[in-house]
Amino acid sequence: DIHMTQSPSSLSASIGDRVTITCQAGHDISNYLNWYQQKPGKVPKLLIYDVSNLETGVPSRFSGRGSGTEFSFTISGLQPEDVATYYCQQYQSLPPAFGPGTKVEIK
Amino acid sequence: VQLLESGGGLVKPGGSLRLSCVASGFTFSDYYMSWIRQSPGRGLEFVSYISPTSDYTNYADSVKGRFTISRDNAKNSAFLQMDSLRADDAAVYYCARSRSYESGASTYGYWGLGTRVTVSS
Repeated sequence: DIHMTQSPSSLSASIGDRVTITCQAGHDISNYLNWYQQKPGKVPKLLIYDVSNLETGVPSRFSGRGSGTEFSFTISGLQPEDVATYYCQQYQSLPPAFGPGTKVEIK
Repeated sequence: VQLLESGGGLVKPGGSLRLSCVASGFTFSDYYMSWIRQSPGRGLEFVSYISPTSDYTNYADSVKGRFTISRDNAKNSAFLQMDSLRADDAAVYYCARSRSYESGASTYGYWGLGTRVTVSS
């Protein structure tokens, strides 16, 4: 099984700040990496698929990059509605696996 | 696209539950369907998926041999039969659909609201 890690586990930033989350895969997963947003009390929502492709309707302040085992997710200009936990997920091999999440809060 | 889960509840260790997911708004028989669970201790965890024509299924090691996924395309429904339930199976169980026909089974573009399973004596 491929183990996913994320850092930091939580962060607090100001409105307008650039926020970056990193995700590391235990093995090379090529570009089989997705990012999800889960707002408090809500269902996870797909934001980015295949490392860097924004899902329809997702604001362009969200972006992703990386390949192999190292990936990053960036919010360019944090907004109040971005308060959420963000998860990376690999699907290069079974079972699909999620990272432990990064909780983003407003300072 | 709408996915609506049901069937969760309180069950004793060793007991069984059958979760259902009714889908609408898309051609159900075209898509892989998955079950994903979330708990404070285990986070988001893949449980199982089933191919459009039920010819292929896959399970997490933690549930293999205890859980069975199935679907009824005529009823736009997917199911998860959960037997020999343990305390660590307690979670919110989500039904999920792949993002698109081309994206395969494991990019979860649509999620239901979830159904809570509690395992306690």
